[in-house]
Parts: sequence; C-alpha cells; structure tokens
Amino acid sequence: NAGVMQNPRHLVRRRGQEARLRCSPMKGHSHVYWYRQLPEEGLKFMVYLQKENIIDESGMPKERFSAEFPKEGPSILRIQQVVRGDSAAYFCASSPQRVNQPQHFGDGTRLSIL
Amino acid sequence: SQQGEEDPQALSIQEGENATMNCSYKTSINNLQWYRQNSGRGLVHLILIRSNEREKHSGRLRVTLDTSKKSSSLLITASRAADTASYFCATVVNTGTASKLTFGTGTRLQVTL
Repeated sequence: NAGVMQNPRHLVRRRGQEARLRCSPMKGHSHVYWYRQLPEEGLKFMVYLQKENIIDESGMPKERFSAEFPKEGPSILRIQQVVRGDSAAYFCASSPQRVNQPQHFGDGTRLSIL
Repeated sequence: SQQGEEDPQALSIQEGENATMNCSYKTSINNLQWYRQNSGRGLVHLILIRSNEREKHSGRLRVTLDTSKKSSSLLITASRAADTASYFCATVVNTGTASKLTFGTGTRLQVTL
C-alpha cells in the first residue's frame, strides 16, 4: 500500500502568486486533514475534508486559503496571493472512516515565498 | 493556547539510556497519540492510548495516561541513535466519525553514541 503522497515536496513562489499543494490519501482512506508547521513548532490543524465535503475548516484563514477533496483525484490546498508569512511546511494526513484510528502523514510540501 | 505541551523541549542522552517525555493538555479528550518526526519528514504514528486506558506498551515504548492530571508520558527504553527525532503528543476530541489532532510543541530528542 502506498502511503500518503504529497507533491510537490518543495515549492517556491513569489509574493502575490498562487500555490497549489496536492495530497493523495492512502488507499481506502476517506478522511483528509491538512496541517501547517512553522520551524521548531508543532503542527497546527487547518482543515478536515471528506470526499466532496469540508467537515471542519476552523484552522484555515478565511481569506486566500481554500481546500477541496473532489470525488476523483487528490485533495488540493490552494493559497492565493501568497505572502512571506505563508512560508511553512504543509502536511497532509489521512485516516479511515473509523474512530480512534491514527492518522497517516505524507512527507509534506515545503513552501517558500520569495 | 496549546492543547498539548511537551516537556522537556529538548533532551540529550547517550545510547542505551532511557528517555522520558511528558505531555500536558487542557480539555477532556477521546484519545492521545504520540508521533515521531525525523528532520525534513512527515510524522510517524507511534502509539494511541484511549481515555479509558492508563498504560500501553509497544516494543521499547511505554505510554501512560493520567486523565485526572491531564497528562501523558512517553518512555523510550534502551535508546538508540536512530531514535533521534522530534516527538509530539496529539490529543483528539471526537466530534464525529474522525477528528482533528491538536499537537503540542514537541520534544527534540538527541541520542548520542
């Protein structure tokens, strides 16, 4: 079984550009989570999605950030008009549709804003 | 504020010694999980302990949970250089069929030869 796949691993954008981060969950997992990690810090929850539904987006900034998990294809985290403060590692995790199950993480996308 | 706070922030030990990391949290939880993160990599799940459990073992790992004190500890016995990593506790409050993790700030463990 392939693990959670994130791409790209590294993404460089200039201020004002758009960043698109992709995540393919583990096979059989219907729940996807996005987290952000700043250097020397823990991960901060951003958004939780199931297929075609956003379940909890309480950790995601109201402006410029959006996420989707379409019926077909990977989950996408989109950041519009990026600013320097968006520089971070963004991690995706997936889990099966059962309670008390661990989340499986991808290796993250490291976003750098010039 | 952080739901989980790990203590210590950094720990340096020699190979063969035991490493103990502590985690405190603020609200009632459904379960608590420990993860490891190697530099530049994603998180790897180590162990999950449910709110009605007090202790759990997995290989060289031992986790305890004290819900009355809202704290947990992770013990790694007979440490190895390969155990060098950051360790995070994460709490889960279930609001449905699956729930978000709330992470602490982590303990950076260095195991030297």
